[in-house]
Amino acid sequence: EIVMTQSPATLSVSPGESATLSCRASRSVSSNLAWYQQKPGQAPRLLIYGASTRATGIPARFRGSGSGTEFTLTISSLQSEDFAVYYCQQYNNWYTFGQGTKLEIK
Amino acid sequence: EVQLVESGGGLVQPGGSLRLSCAGSGFTFNKYWMSWVRQAPGKGLEWVANINQDGSEKYYVDSVKGRFTISRDNAKNSLFLQMNSLRAEDTAVYYCARALQGAAGVQVYWGQGTLVTVSS
Repeated sequence: EIVMTQSPATLSVSPGESATLSCRASRSVSSNLAWYQQKPGQAPRLLIYGASTRATGIPARFRGSGSGTEFTLTISSLQSEDFAVYYCQQYNNWYTFGQGTKLEIK
Repeated sequence: EVQLVESGGGLVQPGGSLRLSCAGSGFTFNKYWMSWVRQAPGKGLEWVANINQDGSEKYYVDSVKGRFTISRDNAKNSLFLQMNSLRAEDTAVYYCARALQGAAGVQVYWGQGTLVTVSS
């Protein structure tokens, strides 16, 4: 099983600033990596797939990068609605999620 | 508008069974892989099972193999998860999800979830 490790567990950032979330795979997943956003009481929402392709309707301030075992989600000019939990997920060898990064308001 | 609506959750005793349903609308149901993903209270996401367009391929996470069965009825735009021999660790919100065209592992659309509680 490919283990996905996200860091940090919690990230405190002020609105208007940028946030960088990391995701590491225990072995290469190529570019088969997705990012999801989840708000309390809601279902996850797909943000990024293929490591860097934004899903339909996702603002350009969300940017995914990386390949192999190291991936990053960068959110620029944080808006109030961006504070949520973010999960990475590999789909190269079955499907496993990271434990999540909580992005909170500083 | 794509909609996925789950039903069938509830409280069940350990060892019991439950059948979840998911009704899809707003898209051509028989053209997409479908999945069940669960989330234990206060925890992260876990993929449970998925099924291909015509139901001929089904895959499961190891922890549910032999206990859960995924199926679909394309004529009724519906997805199902039959859960048998339920355990306390199966307690979770179960989401139905539709995959991205050409990428079975990418879940584009999600239902609102249905809560399954396994407890005596």
